Amino acid sequence: EIEMTQSPATLSVSPGEGATLSCRASQNVSKSLAWYQQKPGQAPRLLMSEKSTRATGIPARFSGSGSGTEFSLTISSLQSEDFAVYYCQQYHGWPLTFGGGTKVAIK
Amino acid sequence: VQLLESGGGLVPPGESLRLSCTGSGFGFSIHAMSWVRQAPGKGLEWVSTISATGSTTHFADSVKGRFTISRDHSKSTVSLQMNSLRVEDTAVYYCAKYTSGWYTPFDFWGQGTMVTVSS
Repeated sequence: EIEMTQSPATLSVSPGEGATLSCRASQNVSKSLAWYQQKPGQAPRLLMSEKSTRATGIPARFSGSGSGTEFSLTISSLQSEDFAVYYCQQYHGWPLTFGGGTKVAIK
Repeated sequence: VQLLESGGGLVPPGESLRLSCTGSGFGFSIHAMSWVRQAPGKGLEWVSTISATGSTTHFADSVKGRFTISRDHSKSTVSLQMNSLRVEDTAVYYCAKYTSGWYTPFDFWGQGTMVTVSS
């Protein structure tokens, strides 16, 4: 099983500031890495796939990078609607696995 | 695109429950589908996937042998039959659609249905 580790668990950021979230895979997942955003009481929403391709309707302030085992999601200039929990997921192999999530909170 | 789950509820340990997910607004028959769950206050856990044709399925070890997944193209539904339920199966169960092929992310999710296993 490929384990996904996200850090930090919580990130406190002021509106307008940038934030970088990290995701590490226990094995090489190539570029098969997705990022999801989840707000309280809502289903997850796909943000990014193939580590750096934004999903439909996702603003350009979201960007992804990395390959193999180390990935990051950067949010430039956080807006109020960006405060949420973010999950990474590998779809390189079975079982599909998610990271534990990073909560981006208002500072 | 819409995914609508149903069938959740409160059941005692050891009992069974069947969840359904009805898809609309996309070519249901050409997309693999999955169930992903989220225990209260916890993260996301993939549960099961069924191929577009229904001929291939995968399960998480935590549910293997207890859960089965199936689909009905005529009704655009995917179902999760959950047997021998355990307290640790308590979660919101989401239906999720693959972007395209097998090794792609989930581009749409339903709103989820709550399953509570308790005596």
